[in-house]
Amino acid sequence: QKEVEQNSGPLSVPEGAIASLNCTYSDRGSQSFFWYRQYSGKSPELIMSIYSNGDKEDGRFTAQLNKASQYVSLLIRDSQPSDSATYLCASSSGAGGGADGLTFGKGTHLIIQP
Amino acid sequence: DAGVTQSPTHLIKTRGQQVTLRCSPKSGHDTVSWYQQALGQGPQFIFQYYEEEERQRGNFPDRFSGHQFPNYSSELNVNALLLGDSALYLCASSPGTGFYNSPLHFGNGTRLTVT
Repeated sequence: QKEVEQNSGPLSVPEGAIASLNCTYSDRGSQSFFWYRQYSGKSPELIMSIYSNGDKEDGRFTAQLNKASQYVSLLIRDSQPSDSATYLCASSSGAGGGADGLTFGKGTHLIIQP
Repeated sequence: DAGVTQSPTHLIKTRGQQVTLRCSPKSGHDTVSWYQQALGQGPQFIFQYYEEEERQRGNFPDRFSGHQFPNYSSELNVNALLLGDSALYLCASSPGTGFYNSPLHFGNGTRLTVT
């Protein structure tokens, strides 16, 4: 049974600080990892994808992957109130997000306090 | 450029009934996946369609079936509805299987309530 585990939160972070979101996965065959942001009542929106060990930066977002520890994280720098949402971690054993069904975690509810 | 569109947005059905949900993929996309998201949970993969065939299936019973049409649009059918089928049903499209780095584009979902 493939599983992705996340702390459900809520995680409360002051505006301007760094928000750190973490997840672990059980399937060692997973090759692709994704972070989605989901506002209440809306559909998930892709924030970051990462496929190899190390860090990947895109603007205020940095994804980190450690396959040996089966651990994925997302850092959000200079957090803004608009970042308040549920962040979903997902994994796939396929090479691309569209090539394989994704296994999602339950999500971490992030609150940025003004 | 229209994104993924789903219909209807909301639906109320009675236990034991059957329901059909519809999805049109983003322009240029030919692969459609369906996910079920219960309240407070992450989306769960139901199945994926490519070239009008079911290519992959998650851990869902045969009551859940689907179809993909030549224009790449798709339907999700659920028979013999149970109270536990109440959820947000998400359709996602992508530009083909094996397409490295292609992200899933989600529609706004259909909220199904079974009473």
